[in-house]
Amino acid sequence: EIMMTQSPGTLSVSPGESATLSCRASQSVSRNFAWYQQKPGQAPRLLIYGASTRAAAIPARFSGSGSGTEFTLTISSLQSEDFAVYYCQQYNDWPRTFGQGTKVEIK
Amino acid sequence: EVQLVESGGGLVQPGGSLRLSCTASGFTFSTYGMNWVRQPPGKGPEWVSHITRSSDTIFYADSVRGRFTISRDDANDLLFLQMNDVRAEDTAVYYCVTPLLTGFYSTFWGQGTLVTVSS
Repeated sequence: EIMMTQSPGTLSVSPGESATLSCRASQSVSRNFAWYQQKPGQAPRLLIYGASTRAAAIPARFSGSGSGTEFTLTISSLQSEDFAVYYCQQYNDWPRTFGQGTKVEIK
Repeated sequence: EVQLVESGGGLVQPGGSLRLSCTASGFTFSTYGMNWVRQPPGKGPEWVSHITRSSDTIFYADSVRGRFTISRDDANDLLFLQMNDVRAEDTAVYYCVTPLLTGFYSTFWGQGTLVTVSS
């Protein structure tokens, strides 16, 4: 099973600042990698797939990069609606696995 | 508009059974593999099972293999999860999830159905 490790666990950011979230896979997942955003009481929402492709209707302030085992999600100029929990996921192998999440909170 | 509506959750005793359903609409259900993903209270998502189109290949998480069975009814755009011999650690919101849909450039999740395993 491929383990996904996210860092940091919590990120405190002021509105308008940028945030950088990281995810490491225990073995290469190529670019078969996604980022999700989840708000309280809602299902996760796909932000990024293929490591760097924004999903439909996702604002350009969200960008993904990386391949293999190291991935990054950057949120530029955080808006109030961006404060949430973010999960990474690999879909290169079975079982599909998620990271434990990074909470982005208001500083 | 793509919609996924789960049903069948509820309170079940340890060792009991439950059958979850997911009604899909807004896309050609029969041409896509489908997933169940669960999320325990206060924790991250956990992938549970995948069924390919035509049901020719099925995958399970180790934690549910031998107890849960995924199936589909393409004539009625339905996805199922039969849960047997449930345990306290199966308590979670269960989501029906599509893969990346061609032309939609996203995956889609239902609203989820809560399964609580408790005596």
